[in-house]
Amino acid sequence: LAKTTQPISMDSYEGQEVNITCSHNNIATNDYITWYQQFPSQGPRFIIQGYKTKVTNEVASLFIPADRKSSTLSLPRVSLSDTAVYYCLVGDPSGGGADGLTFGKGTHLIIQP
Amino acid sequence: NAGVTQTPKFRILKIGQSMTLQCTQDMNHNYMYWYRQDPGMGLKLIYYSVGAGITDKGEVPNGYNVSRSTTEDFPLRLELAAPSQTSVYFCASSTGGMGYEQYFGPGTRLTVT
Repeated sequence: LAKTTQPISMDSYEGQEVNITCSHNNIATNDYITWYQQFPSQGPRFIIQGYKTKVTNEVASLFIPADRKSSTLSLPRVSLSDTAVYYCLVGDPSGGGADGLTFGKGTHLIIQP
Repeated sequence: NAGVTQTPKFRILKIGQSMTLQCTQDMNHNYMYWYRQDPGMGLKLIYYSVGAGITDKGEVPNGYNVSRSTTEDFPLRLELAAPSQTSVYFCASSTGGMGYEQYFGPGTRLTVT
């Protein structure tokens, strides 16, 4: 089971690009990397998922190096509304069930004016 | 398409009382999950289901029970409520296991006094 490690908290300013890195040294061959965003008093929301190299959608980009032992969520030009907790999960989508995936404590991102 | 709905939004229970948290999804997802989130912590998996009639324990199942008689509904039962069960409870669903994108409900905030 791939354990993940992320920074507990990060600060940035409006208009900046924010990069949050997640370490997953024992990632398995079939594992994908998934990021969620959670605002206070709400359930988590899926942001992006990837397997290798780079994935981009309208919200974020996900960079995964060749060894896949880490990944970086990149949020371009953040705004105050991006203040939230961000969770990195690593697991096999085809595995079914819970696969031992856990959300952990996530990274609390605070954006200042 | 309402997604995942949960009732009630808030509830206060006395120690020893019982209650059922309701969860319904209209996306025809086979997989459903119950999580709890304590203040400042990540989500912990209580129970999950891979389809109607099939349920399994997650990380913290003690004090809870579930059933899955239909694809749409996945109620969580608390028997003999204890203060340690004070938490926010989230229900989620997905097309596959936890490695797939999960859709979360708005949560139920439960206080046991």
